[in-house]
Amino acid sequence: EAGVVQSPRYKIIEKKQPVAFWCNPISGHNTLYWYRQNLGQGPELLIRYENEEAVDDSQLPKDRFSAERLKGVDSTLKIQPAELGDSAVYLCASSPEGALPYNEQFFGPGTRLTVL
Amino acid sequence: AQTVTQSQPEMSVQEAETVTLSCTYDTSESNYYLFWYKQPPSRQMILVIRQEAYKQQNATENRFSVNFQKAAKSFSLKISDSQLGDTAMYFCAFMIRGATNKLIFGTGTLLAVQP
Repeated sequence: EAGVVQSPRYKIIEKKQPVAFWCNPISGHNTLYWYRQNLGQGPELLIRYENEEAVDDSQLPKDRFSAERLKGVDSTLKIQPAELGDSAVYLCASSPEGALPYNEQFFGPGTRLTVL
Repeated sequence: AQTVTQSQPEMSVQEAETVTLSCTYDTSESNYYLFWYKQPPSRQMILVIRQEAYKQQNATENRFSVNFQKAAKSFSLKISDSQLGDTAMYFCAFMIRGATNKLIFGTGTLLAVQP
C-alpha cells in the first residue's frame, strides 16, 4: 500500500513569492492534516480536513496561507506571499475513519521550504 | 492548554545498549493518549508506540517500551538492544481522547546510536 505522497520534497523561493505544496493521502483515508515543523521543533497542526470540509483551521495564518481539498482526496497548501519565517518542513498526514477510539495518523515525507 | 516537554535535545547510545528518552506533559484532562514517534533523517515520521491513559499497564512493542507515570505526568521511552537504524529524532506526543484527533508534539530528542 502506498503511503502519503508529498511534492515537491524541497522548494527554495525568494520572499514575497508564492509557493504551493501538494499532498496525496493514503487511499481511503478521509481525514487529512497539514502540519508545519520549524527547525528544532515538533510539528504543529495548521489545518485538518474531514473529506472536503476544513474542520479545524484555527492555527492557519489566513492572511497568507490557504488550503483546499477538492473532491476529498488530494490537498494543496499555498502560501502567498512567502516570508522568511515560513521556512520550515510542511508535513501532510492522513488517517482513516473507523471504530477505533482514535485514528492513527500516517505521515508523508514532508516538503522542506527555504525562503531566501 | 496541553503541553509536552522533552528536556533532552540530544542523546547518544552504543549499539546493543539500552537508552531511555524522557517526556513530561501537562494537562487537566483525564482521558488521553500518549505516543512516541520516530523521524529518521529525511524520512517520514512513524508511530513507535502508543499508551492509553486509562490503562495502567505500560505498553511494549518489541524492543520499545514505555514507563507511564500518570500522577507524575511522565512518559519515558526505553529502547533496548539499540540498533544503528534507531538513529532518528524521537517525538513525544499527546492527544485528548474523543476530541479532534489533534496531536500535540514535544520538541524532540535526537538519538544517535554509535557503532
